[in-house]
Amino acid sequence: DAKTTQPTSMDCAEGRAANLPCNHSTISGNEYVYWYRQIHSQGPQYIIHGLKNNETNEMASLIITEDRKSSTLILPHATLRDTAVYYCIVGLSQGNLIFGKGTKLSVKP
Amino acid sequence: GAVVSQHPSWVICKSGTSVKIECRSLDFQATTMFWYRQFPKQSLMLMATSNEGSKATYEQGVEKDKFLINHASLTLSTLTVTSAHPEDSSFYICSALSWDSNQPQHFGDGTRLSIL
Repeated sequence: DAKTTQPTSMDCAEGRAANLPCNHSTISGNEYVYWYRQIHSQGPQYIIHGLKNNETNEMASLIITEDRKSSTLILPHATLRDTAVYYCIVGLSQGNLIFGKGTKLSVKP
Repeated sequence: GAVVSQHPSWVICKSGTSVKIECRSLDFQATTMFWYRQFPKQSLMLMATSNEGSKATYEQGVEKDKFLINHASLTLSTLTVTSAHPEDSSFYICSALSWDSNQPQHFGDGTRLSIL
């Protein structure tokens, strides 16, 4: 079973920041938090990952709480092309990824 | 960035046919590759873990004689669905992991398999 809990769906207005929450209260000390997204009929696309510190790349920012029991993925300026299912996954760096149901993000004009 | 190529993108074939799907890591060496299956409106389910040069490890409920996995090189893994039947119709996705523990898994674009 997936070790994360995410809202089933979220809406976001185009151009606004999309904040996607994830709970992972049973995360182990050596497990990372990974975010992927899947656009319809494509393979999952890597977004970002982190262990303890907040991370930022060209796609998104990842905010991890100090106790590491939850995190938030931030898409700073959502576009229509960001509409997808977003998966938050916890796992070891060289281990397999167990996918939950993810959050279906709909970016609306 | 890291690229994983999967071929074919889609295949339609008759019941009883065997189908081979290839997964290649294009710009890195993949010590481990994973095979997933995704049914409509469901999430990805891990089928097996494949390490180069050794036998694949299958998840519970996945028939190893039905889904043959070969990982003969550090850049290529294949999944063969033997004697495919309509219930095997699904979206099959591979992912690849490099030796660099700082690198995440990267996924192929999937293969849509339809068995008539």
